[in-house]
Amino acid sequence: RKEVEQDPGPFNVPEGATVAFNCTYSNSASQSFFWYRQDCRKEPKLLMSVYSSGNEDGRFTAQLNRASQYISLLIRDSKLSDSATYLCVVTAPSGQNFVFGPGTRLSVLP
Amino acid sequence: DVKVTQSSRYLVKRTGEKVFLECVQDMDHENMFWYRQDPGLGLRLIYFSYDVKMKEKGDIPEGYSVSREKKERFSLILESASTNQTSMYLCASAGHSSGNTIYFGEGSWLTVV
Repeated sequence: RKEVEQDPGPFNVPEGATVAFNCTYSNSASQSFFWYRQDCRKEPKLLMSVYSSGNEDGRFTAQLNRASQYISLLIRDSKLSDSATYLCVVTAPSGQNFVFGPGTRLSVLP
Repeated sequence: DVKVTQSSRYLVKRTGEKVFLECVQDMDHENMFWYRQDPGLGLRLIYFSYDVKMKEKGDIPEGYSVSREKKERFSLILESASTNQTSMYLCASAGHSSGNTIYFGEGSWLTVV
């Protein structure tokens, strides 16, 4: 089993749709959790950290369920500019290393 | 803002050449990383370093070495470049000063011919 798994994608959605990304991780001792966004031929950039209490940033909501070892990202009212690959990232128990999921590609269509 | 700078953005090298990829970060981060990214394979960790002069192998260290003589600088070395090392190389850093979030450089596109 891979350490971090994500929906295989790609997701093709119309503008204005709500889209949800799912991620599971295998190491229960993982410490920190993030969602990154990567545009084509660019570097990954932090979208948001994920906290146990859940957190929201505008149209984006992230949730963490430690018991189920599951992380989610919800994008509401999707825009064309949201088209990208979304990477789920967890830190190793040491806190020094990061484990990346394979990513889920999103295309928002006009 | 955290700045991770990869000085060489696009390189074309011949098989057998020695290649240096340089990376500098300005946030006094303890940890630095080198990844490569290939279509369909995601990010793969080559080496990382958690302190000056320290290095740890990642998932795919074969054919690579690294150097960290100063805290802000982490170099990736391809001793003898091969065509299967054609890829995008991403340097990253993380540390307590920025909540242990990982930040990436813009990437170095290496083509080995």
